[in-house]
Amino acid sequence: DAGVIQSPRHEVTEMGQEVTLRCKPISGHNSLFWYRQTMMRGLELLIYFNNNVPIDDSGMPEDRFSAKMPNASFSTLKIQPSEPRDSAVYFCASSTRRSSTDTQYFGPGTRLTVL
Amino acid sequence: TQLLEQSPQFLSIQEGENLTVYCNSSSVFSSLQWYRQEPGEGPVLLVTVVTGGEVKKLKRLTFQFGDARKDSSLHITAAQPGDTGLYLCAGANAYNQGGKLIFGQGTELSVKP
Repeated sequence: DAGVIQSPRHEVTEMGQEVTLRCKPISGHNSLFWYRQTMMRGLELLIYFNNNVPIDDSGMPEDRFSAKMPNASFSTLKIQPSEPRDSAVYFCASSTRRSSTDTQYFGPGTRLTVL
Repeated sequence: TQLLEQSPQFLSIQEGENLTVYCNSSSVFSSLQWYRQEPGEGPVLLVTVVTGGEVKKLKRLTFQFGDARKDSSLHITAAQPGDTGLYLCAGANAYNQGGKLIFGQGTELSVKP
């Protein structure tokens, strides 16, 4: 079975540009998580969805960040406008959400560089 | 706010040595997970512990959950270069919905041949 799929794997953009990151969760999983990882702050949860509904977006840095999950097999994280401090690796993860001990399966990540 | 503190942040050892990584919090967690992340990849789950005092073994790796469910440790016996990577602990709170995890900062382990 395919794991979590993220695209693009690498993105280099200039400050002020819009960036869209994409994620396809594992089929049958009904929870989806967006994380950001930096050396300084480690792995931070940005937002997560259960059954396509956003449950907790308290980790979203500011209004420049938005996330959608139009259906069970696709989610996007958008940054508009992007800033150099948004440079990080962004991970998407999915799980079955049967209990709090569910395994989260991570994608390979998108390395974003904002110049 | 629940926080997980990992120590040490960096660890460089020779092949064959033993090591222990610690994950501490002032908060109680309903379960705790350990993940391993290799460069260019996402974290991969190693183990989940749910009972205070629980000990789980995975080959040369031994995981322990503290009696009060506030801390955990990962012990590696006879480390090998293949153990190199970033080790992350992550705690779950039963009162959080949807399986939200709080991650520690990670321990970067380098095992030299």
